[in-house]
Amino acid sequence: NAGVTQTPKFQVLKTGQSMTLQCAQDMNHNSMYWYRQDPGMGLRLIYYSASEGTTDKGEVPNGYNVSRLNKREFSLRLESAAPSQTSVYFCASSDQGNTEAFFGQGTRLTVV
Amino acid sequence: GENVEQHPSTLSVQEGDSAVIKCTYSDSASNYFPWYKQELGKGPQLIIDIRSNVGEKKDQRIAVTLNKTAKHFSLHITETQPEDSAVYFCAASRGNTGNQFYFGTGTSLTVIP
Repeated sequence: NAGVTQTPKFQVLKTGQSMTLQCAQDMNHNSMYWYRQDPGMGLRLIYYSASEGTTDKGEVPNGYNVSRLNKREFSLRLESAAPSQTSVYFCASSDQGNTEAFFGQGTRLTVV
Repeated sequence: GENVEQHPSTLSVQEGDSAVIKCTYSDSASNYFPWYKQELGKGPQLIIDIRSNVGEKKDQRIAVTLNKTAKHFSLHITETQPEDSAVYFCAASRGNTGNQFYFGTGTSLTVIP
């Protein structure tokens, strides 16, 4: 089992460029999440999807959009990248209820 | 929303000593409290979790305690080893649909051989 797979692993963007971060899970989980990790700030939720066909904003949604393409895939889009979006992005998935979240390996994004 | 605070932010211990990391939460409806370990360049990985109907849980050298009244929970690592060196995150969740997790800011643990 691959678990949670994120692509790409590294990316450098110029200010104003757009890109989509891809995430796929093979555990048949209902819920999927996008987090960003910044030094000293832990993991902050950007968007989540409780189930296929639904998405909701997390703590820091501004500047991002998401698409739950199907049960397996949940993508994060930056329409016009800004230096403040330089971060490490993690996708995660879990079953509904009090269960473990599984994380991908992360995407290190630098916006110059 | 929920607010999770974690202390200390950095912790150094000698190999063989114990390490304790503490977290507090604000939402009395939170009922699931996982702990994650993150090694350099990797995603966080669950090491132990506890639910609100339990006060303590142990798995070999790792234990977690929960005080619902005081809204705090702690991670205890005994007989620390160099491979325990990593960043540790606590989290809290209501466990309802969507299962939104709120994370602490992390503790960087260094075990000195």
